[in-house]
Amino acid sequence: EAQVTQNPRYLITVTGKKLTVTCSQNMNHEYMSWYRQDPGLGLRQIYYSMNVEVTDKGDVPEGYKVSRKEKRNFPLILESPSPNQTSLYFCASSHRRGDQPQHFGDGTRLSIL
Amino acid sequence: GNSVTQMEGPVTLSEEAFLTINCTYTATGYPSLFWYVQYPGEGLQLLLKATKADDKGSNKGFEATYRKETTSFHLEKGSVQVSDSAVYFCALFLYNFNKFYFGSGTKLNVKP
Repeated sequence: EAQVTQNPRYLITVTGKKLTVTCSQNMNHEYMSWYRQDPGLGLRQIYYSMNVEVTDKGDVPEGYKVSRKEKRNFPLILESPSPNQTSLYFCASSHRRGDQPQHFGDGTRLSIL
Repeated sequence: GNSVTQMEGPVTLSEEAFLTINCTYTATGYPSLFWYVQYPGEGLQLLLKATKADDKGSNKGFEATYRKETTSFHLEKGSVQVSDSAVYFCALFLYNFNKFYFGSGTKLNVKP
């Protein structure tokens, strides 16, 4: 089954404690991205990756890091989380062509206290 | 800058009513356009898409036409069902930036 898998689905943690949200896809997609969803703001792109070892900033990259060492995985790293990063996060993947739709994971709800 | 603007919700309709959710965009370049739907507790799912002017995307009774002259991609359905209750997102992809841009989402509530 084609899918994008995110872990964890829920996490409550404290300010400053490094965390990683994993994302894995099994569709051999080149393009992967991370979004955060906040009420009234919709989805905003954090980072995206065109392929292995190729990453670039989205609209709201501050406070986040990513890596793309393998085609299937695209982890999101919060080195020093802060309360304003409390949000619902989605990972998505698609073929490189821009007219191909994205496949989304089920989301990760992060609460930073 | 590049952006997508959707009508604010929530939109509340009775079953079998006609639905329109407005979406307009600003883009430097020639985007592909999408509508995604998000059911409670789930990720987004593609509903329909259009890749060039005057294309009509359609799926599950929903339709949207790519209007380049008005930079719009309004979502319509002739007769909504309770099961259509969800949040709908309009989005665009810009090839020259390799980025997706999403609207803020419109929540639809359909009452029996």
